[in-house]
Amino acid sequence: DAGITQSPRHKVTETGTPVTLRCHQTENHRYMYWYRQDPGHGLRLIHYSYGVKDTDKGEVSDGYSVSRSKTEDFLLTLESATSSQTSVYFCAISVGGDSYEQYFGPGTRLTVT
Amino acid sequence: LAKTTQPISMDSYEGQEVNITCSHNNIATNDYITWYQQFPSQGPRFIIQGYKTKVTNEVASLFIPADRKSSTLSLPRVSLSDTAVYYCLVGALHSNYQLIWGAGTKLIIKP
Repeated sequence: DAGITQSPRHKVTETGTPVTLRCHQTENHRYMYWYRQDPGHGLRLIHYSYGVKDTDKGEVSDGYSVSRSKTEDFLLTLESATSSQTSVYFCAISVGGDSYEQYFGPGTRLTVT
Repeated sequence: LAKTTQPISMDSYEGQEVNITCSHNNIATNDYITWYQQFPSQGPRFIIQGYKTKVTNEVASLFIPADRKSSTLSLPRVSLSDTAVYYCLVGALHSNYQLIWGAGTKLIIKP
């Protein structure tokens, strides 16, 4: 599982509150990703990181911010949660080079009421 | 961005070989083709990656014709535990991320 953990695994929060999800990896991989997955759909990239303090936006970045102050941690913040952000959030890492292999964390189920 | 087209769902039986074809007419010269498997309530799991011709690993084969406008994932002798959603991806990863995850193919294996 490439040593990827996500916390919390489940969270219920109210509209308008900030929420931070944490992704932690133990193998010092350079590339990290945050995705969301909604029922019946594939994954959509929110943000990704290619190094400490190096991040870029993905397909659905509005309403989300990220930070990576250490190689092992990639944080996703919902600045003011909305019901449309109810989803399952997956963190992933990739090993780089010519490999397109990504390893995914167990996911965080977020419900915004 | 290269868009992929896969069947929404497929059925097969235990012990059969299953082939899932993905169409990617706009694949770029530098794009790789990658397949993932996802079980309910889990993150996707990498199956195989290829650029052209045929690639085989311990769980699957990937066939890519010369024009690279399609690819076929082949799962030999499937079992009930192969019931999952399978995603075909083409594009760039890492610092030039250009992957589009479609809805995938829901594969159901029957006894």
